Amino acid sequence: DIVMTQTPLSLPVTPGEPASISCRSSRSLLNGDDGNIFLDWYLQKPGQSPQLLIYTLSYRASGVPDRFSGSGSGTDFTLKISRVEADDVGVYYCMQRKEFPYSFGQGTRLDIK
Amino acid sequence: QVQLVQSGSELKKPGASVKVSCKSSGYTFTNYAMNWVRQAPGQRPEWMGWINTDTGNPTYVQGFAGRFVFSLDTSVSTAYLEINSLKSEDTAVYYCARDTYYDSSGRSEYWGQGTLVTVSS
Repeated sequence: DIVMTQTPLSLPVTPGEPASISCRSSRSLLNGDDGNIFLDWYLQKPGQSPQLLIYTLSYRASGVPDRFSGSGSGTDFTLKISRVEADDVGVYYCMQRKEFPYSFGQGTRLDIK
Repeated sequence: QVQLVQSGSELKKPGASVKVSCKSSGYTFTNYAMNWVRQAPGQRPEWMGWINTDTGNPTYVQGFAGRFVFSLDTSVSTAYLEINSLKSEDTAVYYCARDTYYDSSGRSEYWGQGTLVTVSS
């Protein structure tokens, strides 16, 4: 199974400042047939279900502000928030869906300083 | 608008069974796969598998085959997760999540609110 590893596990950020979360997969998530990288990012706000932020490496889900961006290569990925807002607090997960069973990273908890 | 509404929290004894429902609205139920995800307390989400809502064919992640059963009632646009022979380690929040495609791609923009299943004697 593909193992997903995130860093850091905790991320305190001052409002208005940028933030960056890293994720690494144990195998490449590049689909050779179409060039897509099947890596998604979710945010789980306190007491809520996970919500999709970024899919297929860099596409923002519907309604997600452009402060959020995803990038990376076959095994190393980054979620960037250009200017953190108070509403961004929660746990961020990367998730691979290149191979079944799909799998999540252990999560990065973002809170406000 | 698309909505997935799950049944309420359950408290069960070890060895019992539980059935969680996930009622869909706002779209054609049989056009999109339904994924199931488990999240134990303080843990990362864990993909359990999915069901084709048109054919009813389920696919289970190894470790969830056997005691876990996905089913449907298309007449009421509802997916079900049944867990048999409950163990304490089954204590978790269970989510249904609608896929973007007919077959599971893993990409889920719509999630239910989650159902907490607590297994305790």
